[in-house]
Amino acid sequence: SAVISQKPSRDICQRGTSLTIQCQVDSQVTMMFWYRQQPGQSLTLIATANQGSEATYESGFVIDKFPISRPNLTFSTLTVSNMSPEDSSIYLCSVIWGANTGELFFGEGSRLTVL
Amino acid sequence: GENVEQHPSTLSVQEGDSAVIKCTYSDSASNYFPWYKQELGKRPQLIIDIRSNVGEKKDQRIAVTLNKTAKHFSLHITETQPEDSAVYFCAASKKGTYKYIFGTGTRLKVLA
Repeated sequence: SAVISQKPSRDICQRGTSLTIQCQVDSQVTMMFWYRQQPGQSLTLIATANQGSEATYESGFVIDKFPISRPNLTFSTLTVSNMSPEDSSIYLCSVIWGANTGELFFGEGSRLTVL
Repeated sequence: GENVEQHPSTLSVQEGDSAVIKCTYSDSASNYFPWYKQELGKRPQLIIDIRSNVGEKKDQRIAVTLNKTAKHFSLHITETQPEDSAVYFCAASKKGTYKYIFGTGTRLKVLA
């Protein structure tokens, strides 16, 4: 399986600020995604990070709030903009590993607390 | 769009007993059904999966069954151990989309 590293692992942020989360994969992967897990909740897909083009956002998520970059096949960033306490969540980078199996693997997550 | 319902939300069993978690999906085009285990403070990890061309799959103490007609799939854990205590998520996806829809999760507690 792929090794997926995220930075920061956790952070405490002030309301109104923005934070960028980085995701580095040890191998080239085609499909990379960003998920959100609110406290005690399930996993919700934010967007698909497309290499070299704009991300594809799910319903309820917009580029102005969650800008995503994917400059190459091993790296992506998610920015949480103009944060409010409702943005306090774990943000998880994930990749599809194995073209035939299509298994989804997660990074360790970035736990953000917004005060 | 796809919707995945998961039950129960919490489950407590005695060590050694079996645990069953059930999920229902809405999109009949879904054909891949993985299960994830998430221990406290850790990432979700794939523990078993099943594809729509198979009715049952087993891996040691865990098994998954799929009923395509009823659009149900279930996780079965036998001889439960304290280390099985975690939150379990089911998911469904369609071939070619790689978009996973997750269930709401089941918190399993195995009592020693």
